[in-house]
Amino acid sequence: DIVMTQSPDSLVVSLGERATINCKSSQSVLYSSKNKNYLAWYQQKPGQPPKLLIYWASTRESGVPDRFSASGSGTDFTLTISSLQAEDVAVYYCQQYHSTPRTFGQGTKVEIK
Amino acid sequence: QVQLVQSGAEVKKPGASVKVSCKASGYTFTNYGISWLRQAPGQGLEWMGWISTYNSYTNFAQKLQGRVTMTTDTSTSTAYMELRSLRSDDTAVYYCAREDDIVQLPSAIRLWGQGTLVTVSS
Repeated sequence: DIVMTQSPDSLVVSLGERATINCKSSQSVLYSSKNKNYLAWYQQKPGQPPKLLIYWASTRESGVPDRFSASGSGTDFTLTISSLQAEDVAVYYCQQYHSTPRTFGQGTKVEIK
Repeated sequence: QVQLVQSGAEVKKPGASVKVSCKASGYTFTNYGISWLRQAPGQGLEWMGWISTYNSYTNFAQKLQGRVTMTTDTSTSTAYMELRSLRSDDTAVYYCAREDDIVQLPSAIRLWGQGTLVTVSS
């Protein structure tokens, strides 16, 4: 199984400041033949299912604010919130869909300072 | 409106079984598979498996092999997940989610059900 490890486990950031979350996979999630990284980022608020933010490692889902961006390839990935807003308080998960079983990082809780 | 609507919360005793339903609407049911995931209280997300709504092919997480069954009813656009021999550590919110062909078209998950809390307690 591909193990996904996020860092940090929690993050406290001031409103308007940048938040950065890292995700590392135990194996590459890049399909070279398709030149795509099979990596997604989700946001989950209490009592709600996860919401897709980013797919193919760096493609923003329709309707997601452009303060959310992501990058990375192979085994190392980053999600950045450029200017944290109050509504961004949530737990963020990375997920690989390169192979089964699908696996998620343990989550990063983002809070306001 | 494209949505997945799951059945209500359940309380079960250890050793019992639970069957959760997931009714799809607003899209052609057989064009997408259904994944099942769960989230224990305060914990992260665990993928349980996937079923093709087209031919009922399944792919399960190894740790659940033998205890989980996934089925679909195309006449009602409903997917089902049954988990047997329940233990206390099966207490979780169970989610269904729409997912493309897990082998041919791996994809991120855009559509989730609202979740079903299953509590296992004596």
